[in-house]
Amino acid sequence: SAVISQKPSRDICQRGTSLTIQCQVDSQVTMMFWYRQQPGQSLTLIATANQGSEATYESGFVIDKFPISRPNLTFSTLTVSNMSPEDSSIYLCSVGTGGTSNAKNIQYFGAGTRLSVL
Amino acid sequence: AQKITQTQPGMFVQEKEAVTLDCTYDTSDPSYGLFWYKQPSSGEMIFLIYQGSYDQQNATEGRYSLNFQKARKSANLVISASQLGDSAMYFCAMRELGTYKYIFGTGTRLKVLA
Repeated sequence: SAVISQKPSRDICQRGTSLTIQCQVDSQVTMMFWYRQQPGQSLTLIATANQGSEATYESGFVIDKFPISRPNLTFSTLTVSNMSPEDSSIYLCSVGTGGTSNAKNIQYFGAGTRLSVL
Repeated sequence: AQKITQTQPGMFVQEKEAVTLDCTYDTSDPSYGLFWYKQPSSGEMIFLIYQGSYDQQNATEGRYSLNFQKARKSANLVISASQLGDSAMYFCAMRELGTYKYIFGTGTRLKVLA
């Protein structure tokens, strides 16, 4: 398993501002993932963060709104830009163990960042 | 396309009783993994149990077991001897071999009653 530290754990932000969420892992991992969980909803993948390359975004998510950095194999950040109340969600980072050819590729999650936008 | 369905938005169980949380899935790929996660009110996602599509036996992890019925495409989570601390949201998820992407169900909120 992996130990993932995510911060901040929660924040209240004003409309139009940006927030950067940090995710630190206790071991080197190839892939890191960022999810959004809107109130009362399931998890939706925002993007996959690869070290040394651009993040891969899912449909409906764009780099200008959710820029991601992945400077090394243990760290990533997600920025929520120009926030609106609709961005109020829990944002979670996760890491996968094993490669895509390993069926038992378990994703371990950070504790999440609970964001409220006023 | 992959799909995970959890039809029980909420469940109640008496403390010390067993409870089954339903999950059905849809995929055309013969190779996939199924996962269950617990999300307490704090928001973290806690991995509980994994079942591979080629596993012959149902997975077990302590009080958690997975009732895997491949022909029915179901992967129900069974929690035995429920505890008050089991009260949480439970999510079923699936991943096809060759991808990193998880597909999550909509979750079941479990409340354990004293």
